[in-house]
Amino acid sequence: GAGVSQSPSNKVTEKGKDVELRCDPISGHTALYWYRQSLGQGLEFLIYFQGNSAPDKSGLPSDRFSAERTGGSVSTLTIQRTQQEDSAVYLCASSLERQAYEQYFGPGTRLTVT
Amino acid sequence: AQSVTQLGSHVSVSEGALVLLRCNYSSSVPPYLFWYVQYPNQGLQLLLKYTTGATLVKGINGFEAEFKKSETSFHLTKPSAHMSDAAEYFCAVSDHTGNQFYFGTGTSLTVIP
Repeated sequence: GAGVSQSPSNKVTEKGKDVELRCDPISGHTALYWYRQSLGQGLEFLIYFQGNSAPDKSGLPSDRFSAERTGGSVSTLTIQRTQQEDSAVYLCASSLERQAYEQYFGPGTRLTVT
Repeated sequence: AQSVTQLGSHVSVSEGALVLLRCNYSSSVPPYLFWYVQYPNQGLQLLLKYTTGATLVKGINGFEAEFKKSETSFHLTKPSAHMSDAAEYFCAVSDHTGNQFYFGTGTSLTVIP
């Protein structure tokens, strides 16, 4: 079946602009995660959605970052007033409880803020 | 609270040699444990996972890992390295709820011909 997809694959934006990153999880997966991976770094947890529960936003680095998940499926990560330090690869993953929450990752969106 | 420590951010092995990538975790409950691999310019994919049962788990591409509760470790091994194994490897731990999922900082594996 189809895996996790993310769009765009690459995004170049000017400092101060807003960007939206999209994630389409695997159909039926109830859990969805956003991570940020900076050059040569590990994965930084950003936000977690589980079903209809309130999201865990504890990893969001600032109030410029927000995310929503509509209808328990597609998720959008929004970064307002982008800064150069926001440049990174943003990864989305989805998972299923009965699979021990094994995460399936999308290919990522590479964001470059100039 | 949980955490993951990967000892050695860079590991180099000769082709055909044993691969050993170390992972230690801390967890207040019996965790689920995972190893993921990230090939250059690609997304992360699951190598193997431990949930319950047999403590030695086998994954794709000849990798295996052993859960040692007494040592709080989940080291990744492969008997004979191949050039195609060059990649970034991440260890991860979660509780049984899904909302506490932590990744290590990764180990970059280089295979020397």
